[in-house]
Amino acid sequence: AQTVTQSQPEMSVQEAETVTLSCTYDTSESDYYLFWYKQPPSRQMILVIRQEAYKQQNATENRFSVNFQKAAKSFSLKISDSQLGDAAMYFCAYGPHSGSRLTFGEGTQLTVNP
Amino acid sequence: GAVVSQHPSWVICKSGTSVKIECRSLDFQATTMFWYRQFPKQSLMLMATSNEGSKATYEQGVEKDKFLINHASLTLSTLTVTSAHPEDSSFYICSARDHRTSGPGGYTFGSGTRLTVV
Repeated sequence: AQTVTQSQPEMSVQEAETVTLSCTYDTSESDYYLFWYKQPPSRQMILVIRQEAYKQQNATENRFSVNFQKAAKSFSLKISDSQLGDAAMYFCAYGPHSGSRLTFGEGTQLTVNP
Repeated sequence: GAVVSQHPSWVICKSGTSVKIECRSLDFQATTMFWYRQFPKQSLMLMATSNEGSKATYEQGVEKDKFLINHASLTLSTLTVTSAHPEDSSFYICSARDHRTSGPGGYTFGSGTRLTVV
């Protein structure tokens, strides 16, 4: 069974600074997807970024980028130029190639200090 | 992009009554829908997976007679909490996926329903 681990329950960053959220996972599959979701106080799940395992190039979406280390089964999220609106709970998730259930990590609560 | 509408956003019901939560895919056909439960400051816990026209597959420990899931059409899935009790109070979120047209990892989430049982 797949597992996803986020070892940082809480993180904080100063506005305009950079922060990295960690995520590790375990799977025996070779092809899969990895995701970072943001859940603000409204509790709407918002897709931040996704990575396809067969792609070696790290995904980037504006201020958000990932460091995908397939061999180490690590998938960290870097947020550059942090903004107050980035404050939220962030979930790392694993999705199989078949498109069945997602497996979520425990979440990291990010605080952005002005 | 794909949109999933979930209603109601919040509901308060009396203990012993039933509550129905709807999840609709507005601009795509959802061949698979997922129902999650989330406690405060915790992760999403998958309750069940439903495929259109077939019975839902429940996760271990989830009472299928208490949490009735119906996925009768390609755009609508419902979760009915039967004989609700205070311990059923939680945040419920649906997610939908279209295997035929979604790109890699095309999961779309509803906005969630906060259920309070008094």
